[in-house]
Amino acid sequence: AAGVIQSPRHLIKEKRETATLKCYPIPRHDTVYWYQQGPGQDPQFLISFYEKMQSDKGSIPDRFSAQQFSDYHSELNMSSLELGDSALYFCASSLGQLEETQYFGPGTRLLVL
Amino acid sequence: SQQGEEDPQALSIQEGENATMNCSYKTSINNLQWYRQNSGRGLVHLILIRSNEREKHSGRLRVTLDTSKKSSSLLITASRAADTASYFCATESGGSNYKLTFGKGTLLTVNP
Repeated sequence: AAGVIQSPRHLIKEKRETATLKCYPIPRHDTVYWYQQGPGQDPQFLISFYEKMQSDKGSIPDRFSAQQFSDYHSELNMSSLELGDSALYFCASSLGQLEETQYFGPGTRLLVL
Repeated sequence: SQQGEEDPQALSIQEGENATMNCSYKTSINNLQWYRQNSGRGLVHLILIRSNEREKHSGRLRVTLDTSKKSSSLLITASRAADTASYFCATESGGSNYKLTFGKGTLLTVNP
């Protein structure tokens, strides 16, 4: 069965650079969630989209923005990167309000130097 | 804000033994889910239990939920070395969104 696809899987950036992470949800899934997991930490909710509209917002810095496109894929844009942004970024998808289970992608490991 | 808190933080057992991990949370929930994560890898959904359920089974997994105590437990029976991973509980608290609030996780090591 198709899973959530994230790209790139690994990313190395310098401080103050920008990064764009991409997420392709499971086919037919219309809801996408972004989570950030710092080293040794639990995943923290950043933002979610349902039917291309932002549905909820968590502890996402103002330097970050995200959107969901007409094909339901989502992109997380991160600007003015800081050392503390180094983390594993997960995308999860679900079938909107019909299914409670979120299916996670393999994550993008971002390292900011 | 932190919702789920797991204990123990780390658990080391021998193959064949049972492993029990606990999770506590603070606010009312719609459901509680358990996820597994191998080191630095993705999160794999294990089981979901709704607030009106008390116990659920899936293969070697047994989950209980006590909403009066705001706690849940995950039991893995007859553990295997391949069960070595971090286990997280995550709560979904309702509304029109389904964001998950994760606990700190339990690192389970199953020794062969």
